[in-house]
Amino acid sequence: KQEVTQIPAALSVPEGENLVLNCSFTDSAIYNLQWFRQDPGKGLTSLLLIQSSQREQTSGRLNASLDKSSGRSTLYIAASQPGDSATYLCAVTNSGYALNFGKGTSLLVTP
Amino acid sequence: DAGVTQSPTHLIKTRGQQVTLRCSPISGHKSVSWYQQVLGQGPQFIFQYYEKEERGRGNFPDRFSARQFPNYSSELNVNALLLGDSALYLCASSLEGWNGYTFGSGTRLTVV
Repeated sequence: KQEVTQIPAALSVPEGENLVLNCSFTDSAIYNLQWFRQDPGKGLTSLLLIQSSQREQTSGRLNASLDKSSGRSTLYIAASQPGDSATYLCAVTNSGYALNFGKGTSLLVTP
Repeated sequence: DAGVTQSPTHLIKTRGQQVTLRCSPISGHKSVSWYQQVLGQGPQFIFQYYEKEERGRGNFPDRFSARQFPNYSSELNVNALLLGDSALYLCASSLEGWNGYTFGSGTRLTVV
């Protein structure tokens, strides 16, 4: 059974800092890994999708890496802004049927 | 293009009642999945439908059921509601179910 862990559970940083969110998974036989953002009480917004054959994806100030063999992914956020405050969720797909989510990292960026 | 739309946005039901939640996927997407998210947790997989067939089911009781219609929209039904069913129910659509998902805004269900 796939287990997804996200560390840290919560993070508070001052505006402008670069930061890294971590995601680990127990079964490396994944199709892909997807990072999402969730604002309080809202749905999920997809940030980056990394296919199993890829090593990283970039979108603006966001960069996600994938090391399938070690079961790890990181989400790097450059020059953080207060608008980045949200919960960030990592999810992997094994069988192609279901996303397996971590519990998320709650990020607060203070002005 | 419209994104994934879910209705209703909020719902309050009494224990023992039945509820139906609705989802319309992105145009052209053939796969719809349902997830339950309780406060402080990541979403948990309930069902996936592809081309109107059930393709996967999570660890949820038989009180939960779903279907997908010819236009690829979907309904999630929950019978005999329990207080523990209170959660945010999320619908996600995908072209084929393995190449990335787009989520709707969710339905907040409160059971009292």
